[in-house]
Amino acid sequence: GAGVSQSPRYKVAKRGQDVALRCDPISGHVSLFWYQQALGQGPEFLTYFQNEAQLDKSGLPSDRFFAERPEGSVSTLKIQRTQQEDSAVYLCASSLRTGYGYTFGSGTRLTVV
Amino acid sequence: AQSVTQLDSQVPVFEEAPVELRCNYSSSVSVYLFWYVQYPNQGLQLLLKYLSGSTLVKGINGFEAEFNKSQTSFHLRKPSVHISDTAEYFCAVSDPGGTSYGKLTFGQGTILTVHP
Repeated sequence: GAGVSQSPRYKVAKRGQDVALRCDPISGHVSLFWYQQALGQGPEFLTYFQNEAQLDKSGLPSDRFFAERPEGSVSTLKIQRTQQEDSAVYLCASSLRTGYGYTFGSGTRLTVV
Repeated sequence: AQSVTQLDSQVPVFEEAPVELRCNYSSSVSVYLFWYVQYPNQGLQLLLKYLSGSTLVKGINGFEAEFNKSQTSFHLRKPSVHISDTAEYFCAVSDPGGTSYGKLTFGQGTILTVHP
């Protein structure tokens, strides 16, 4: 597609539920990032993929967070046993080349109740 | 670790007035600098970026920014704003070095509100 597509746009989860957030990057984009944006804050780095390799996961806040990109295109961010503090907008961004600016998706707004 | 400070959390301005959104970063190494805009319930859209070369960078929608290495600043300016410029603006920095993979460190954001 023409842009980065994320689904679902909105997700309400009960505390303790597992969720999966999907990102479809622009075709051919090698680099893929996940960011977490809490209300009223700037986005914060979660993890980075170069093709299918997860090269940096230092931003994942706990072992409940897991990301994958098995075929080097679509990526999924999974959060197990969701907590209220996980409520945020999760943004995906992709780029042809590392470091030159990225195209962001519209994000998934996760609300944990 | 890099950090980005956006000095104003909110900037109100009247239509057709000039505006400056301030951004300072802390880094002792070469950096790439970016400004993004976020409209309500949307993702981030790139306004402009500084990678190297001329310190005055022009972007979309009439915005420009000036890289000042000695002051570690990258302020965003527009000479005449429109109602449609009302949005949240984020300054971001990345390390072009190999180990950071170009991940962005963002400021807290500045909400620009343009009044008629």
